Amino acid sequence: GEDVEQSLFLSVREGDSSVINCTYTDSSSTYLYWYKQEPGAGLQLLTYIFSNMDMKQDQRLTVLLNKKDKHLSLRIADTQTGDSAIYFCAERAYGGATNKLIFGTGTLLAVQP
Amino acid sequence: DAGVIQSPRHEVTEMGQEVTLRCKPISGHDYLFWYRQTMMRGLELLIYFNNNVPIDDSGMPEDRFSAKMPNASFSTLKIQPSEPRDSAVYFCASSRPRDTQYFGPGTRLTVL
Repeated sequence: GEDVEQSLFLSVREGDSSVINCTYTDSSSTYLYWYKQEPGAGLQLLTYIFSNMDMKQDQRLTVLLNKKDKHLSLRIADTQTGDSAIYFCAERAYGGATNKLIFGTGTLLAVQP
Repeated sequence: DAGVIQSPRHEVTEMGQEVTLRCKPISGHDYLFWYRQTMMRGLELLIYFNNNVPIDDSGMPEDRFSAKMPNASFSTLKIQPSEPRDSAVYFCASSRPRDTQYFGPGTRLTVL
């Protein structure tokens, strides 16, 4: 079945890099997403990667995809206190009729000043 | 674009009362999703619609929960009767086909 797993908590110091990891089980996934949820707010799309890509960079964000190991990571360079939030990875399975996403449990990123 | 709009943002009610949560998706989005978020269970998909038709309601907890989408610009999630264990943040999201989902700000429900 479909399952997405993440570590629950990550603490880093301001200015360091953060790496949030995610593993998924559906090898037919087409797109993989990273969402950010700030306290009291909804989920906001940060970035996504198509399954035929290995890496995608967007300013301070770098997404790495290892399809063989079904492993996805999000690296945040020069982490700021404003990056403190919960980060969710999500996969969308192949099968074009559905837009259903499978979300991970979320990783709480705490940035220490 | 105003984004996904949800109302109310906060709802406090007493056990046994009926609760109705509302959602206006982004114009032009064919898909609408209802999620529930709690500390214990994380983010759960309750139901989703495509072109106003319910496609998958397997996540709806029990018969006390019902969702409707009478037109392309409006959906409701109703809980009747409500129970304290229904306390959670309820999110609505919408998307185009084969596109990412855009989330609303959520409704924080507290059932006393």
